[in-house]
Amino acid sequence: NAGVTQTPKFRVLKTGQSMTLLCAQDMNHEYMYWYRQDPGMGLRLIHYSVGEGTTAKGEVPDGYNVSRLKKQNFLLGLESAAPSQTSVYFCASSTLAGVFPYEQYFGPGTRLTVT
Amino acid sequence: AQKITQTQPGMFVQEKEAVTLDCTYDTSDQSYGLFWYKQPSSGEMIFLIYQGSYDEQNATEGRYSLNFQKARKSANLVISASQLGDSAMYFCAMREGGTGRRALTFGSGTRLQVQP
Repeated sequence: NAGVTQTPKFRVLKTGQSMTLLCAQDMNHEYMYWYRQDPGMGLRLIHYSVGEGTTAKGEVPDGYNVSRLKKQNFLLGLESAAPSQTSVYFCASSTLAGVFPYEQYFGPGTRLTVT
Repeated sequence: AQKITQTQPGMFVQEKEAVTLDCTYDTSDQSYGLFWYKQPSSGEMIFLIYQGSYDEQNATEGRYSLNFQKARKSANLVISASQLGDSAMYFCAMREGGTGRRALTFGSGTRLQVQP
């Protein structure tokens, strides 16, 4: 039981390049999320999904796209990376049917630098 | 308006002493949940404690307790008998019941440093 895993752990991009971050969870959770954490700040919600095939925008969605083709996977795409997207990206998942309602289980994070 | 406010950017505490980390929140929902997470220097997010808005008793988990004052909209984290390993960033977060997404809104965090 790996929980929530993220690929890759680190990445350096040049401005204008594209990339996809992969999140996978093996807990059969309905809800999945992508957050970003900038230095000295808390996490902010980029996009989320309440089930397979559905996605929605969070607080800071500009410059990102997401897809959830399978229940266990949630992909975050950057089509044209900008230096302002330099951040640590966390994926999380949750379910109602847990000890604490909608407790979020976090992945280890992906550190992305855009030069 | 900020939904989660943590007014202490940094705190120092002596080993074995207790420390309180402040958190106030703002919501119009009747049903909500409050979480505290620890983020050590390695970067992972570690769940510590949860308080539901309808819970009548303050939550406790080992050395962690949550001082929940609903009328004041505060949810302070109390760490008893601090240990050197408690040095980390601590984030207060809220899940509001009125939104379908069930996402968390985070505060800006408090950096706790435990001194020997």
